[in-house]
Amino acid sequence: DAGVIQSPRHEVTEMGQEVTLRCKPISGHDYLFWYRQTMMRGLELLIYFNNNVPIDDSGMPEDRFSAKMPNASFSTLKIQPSEPRDSAVYFCASSFGQGSTEAFFGQGTRLTVV
Amino acid sequence: GESVGLHLPTLSVQEGDNSIINCAYSNSASDYFIWYKQESGKGPQFIIDIRSNMDKRQGQRVTVLLNKTVKHLSLQIAATQPGDSAVYFCAEAVYNQGGKLIFGQGTELSVKP
Repeated sequence: DAGVIQSPRHEVTEMGQEVTLRCKPISGHDYLFWYRQTMMRGLELLIYFNNNVPIDDSGMPEDRFSAKMPNASFSTLKIQPSEPRDSAVYFCASSFGQGSTEAFFGQGTRLTVV
Repeated sequence: GESVGLHLPTLSVQEGDNSIINCAYSNSASDYFIWYKQESGKGPQFIIDIRSNMDKRQGQRVTVLLNKTVKHLSLQIAATQPGDSAVYFCAEAVYNQGGKLIFGQGTELSVKP
């Protein structure tokens, strides 16, 4: 397996534009996580899914953020409208099983909102 | 005023020496404690975990120690190598939350040849 695949690797957009980040988890994994990493706040959990169902979205900062998982092999994180303070590296991770502590992370998407 | 980014704690060691990275955690209900390594430009990578009912666990060149009394976790790396240079994060997880990881601040390890 190629691991968790995220796209794009880099995204530069203007304030107010819609941004969509994409993730393909490892096949067979039933948990999917979206994290955001900044120097100020470190690694923050935004939302996670189990079997494509959102379980905990308490980390989603505002209504401008939304995430979907239409099937077991694809998830999106959307920001609309984007703001400069959304600039960060966004990671997707997946894991297998309820008690798993080993989450596999993608390479991340570096988002810059200007 | 101007906002200033956080600077990660940094540990600098000589190649071949042992490294000890420390972490304080907050949730006494966590079932697992985990160490992740993040190299520049990459996502975090699992190193080792320890259940809350243990106080020590060893892996290849790494040992994790857990002190629940003071809510303290440490990662010991033996014979540190240049390839160990990275940011190390501790994380907590609760079993029935399906691997939901809450990460600590991180420590940057720099290995001098």
